Amino acid sequence: GAVVSQHPSWVICKSGTSVKIECRSLDFQATTMFWYRQFPKQSLMLMATSNEGSKATYEQGVEKDKFLINHASLTLSTLTVTSAHPEDSSFYICSAPPFGQGANSPLHFGNGTRLTVT
Amino acid sequence: EDQVTQSPEALRLQEGESSSLNCSYTVSGLRGLFWYRQDPGKGPEFLFTLYSAGEEKEKERLKATLTKKESFLHITAPKPEDSATYLCAVQAQGGSEKLVFGKGTKLTVNP
Repeated sequence: GAVVSQHPSWVICKSGTSVKIECRSLDFQATTMFWYRQFPKQSLMLMATSNEGSKATYEQGVEKDKFLINHASLTLSTLTVTSAHPEDSSFYICSAPPFGQGANSPLHFGNGTRLTVT
Repeated sequence: EDQVTQSPEALRLQEGESSSLNCSYTVSGLRGLFWYRQDPGKGPEFLFTLYSAGEEKEKERLKATLTKKESFLHITAPKPEDSATYLCAVQAQGGSEKLVFGKGTKLTVNP
């Protein structure tokens, strides 16, 4: 079945540094990938939609200059948290609908990245 | 604005004790309603998609149903390995494939 791989699974960084998270579709192509953030006991909140070959679309309230998204190929999207602060500590999860399998194909999720900013 | 509300927030069952989880939704035209299972520290794992009122889907001890306002996830004779957080999400008509999630129901099944 369709697999989405996310790396790293966890990362600890110091305040003010940047962190890059990768999301890869392993056995299918994804023209679109979604980046979610999940705080403890909260629902997954969509941050942005990553589009291959074009600019990402950010949800209201998400700073595009802080959360840089690049979708350079049909199998890779990256999220870079720039100048991270403790309030950015969260669980970041990417997902992708398999391209060409129809509009009703379920989103497949990566296993998430636990970011801790100290 | 599309919204999803799940209840209860947490549910404790004894092994073999059947129950149901609720997902109420409001959406401007439903394309699909999704159920996912999420284990601690992991990404959501797809369970079911429901598209229209009256539809039902089953997988092992789980059965999902859909009405125009809500969906239920019925768990029959649960086992401890069914312990997880169950997430409900809706996808609206209109082209985007993004999902709007509820907060989930944390299910604990005691042996």
